[in-house]
Amino acid sequence: DIQMTQSPSSLSASVGDRVTITCRASQDIIDRLAWFQQKPGRAPKSLVYATSTLESGVPSKFSGSGAGTDFTLTITNLQPEDSATYYCQHYRNYPPTFGQGTRLEIK
Amino acid sequence: EVKLVESGGALVRPGGSLRLSCEASGFTFSDYYMDWVRQVAGKGLEWVGRSRNKGNRNPTEHAASVKGRFTVSRDFSKNSLYLQMNSLKTEDTAVYYCVRSGPRGGNEWNFDYWGQGTLVTVSS
Repeated sequence: DIQMTQSPSSLSASVGDRVTITCRASQDIIDRLAWFQQKPGRAPKSLVYATSTLESGVPSKFSGSGAGTDFTLTITNLQPEDSATYYCQHYRNYPPTFGQGTRLEIK
Repeated sequence: EVKLVESGGALVRPGGSLRLSCEASGFTFSDYYMDWVRQVAGKGLEWVGRSRNKGNRNPTEHAASVKGRFTVSRDFSKNSLYLQMNSLKTEDTAVYYCVRSGPRGGNEWNFDYWGQGTLVTVSS
């Protein structure tokens, strides 16, 4: 199975800040990488697929990049509603696997 | 509007069985792949299994951790996805999400819409 490793596990940032979350795959996944946002008590929500394509309705403050084994999710102009846990996930082959999550706190 | 509503979660004894259901609406159910993904409380996400779209020659896939115990199926006439869970273990305790997977380019399909989940607790 392909292992997905996110860093950091948690981070704290202020309103208006920009943050970057990193995701590393244990083998080449080309661009088959998605990002999800999960708020407490809620289901995950799809943000990005194919590394950098935003889901319909997702604001442009979210952006993804990378290729091969190293990927990032960047969030600009942080707002209180961005407080959530963010997961990366590959879909290069079976089984699709997720990173362990990055908890983002807005100070 | 895409809507996925899970049901069937319950408290069950180790070794027992349970069937989860997911009723889908707001899209052409037969055109899409459907998945089950689970999440242990306070932990990460684990893919459980997949049902491909109607007419696909390889209708299902299952995670190694559940293969032989869980079966994903669906009824296209009822727009419903199911997860039959047998020989349940305490480590199967989790919230189970019904997830639609949409085309992502090429022959790739991946999660786009998630239901709210149903809780399965396996305990004596």
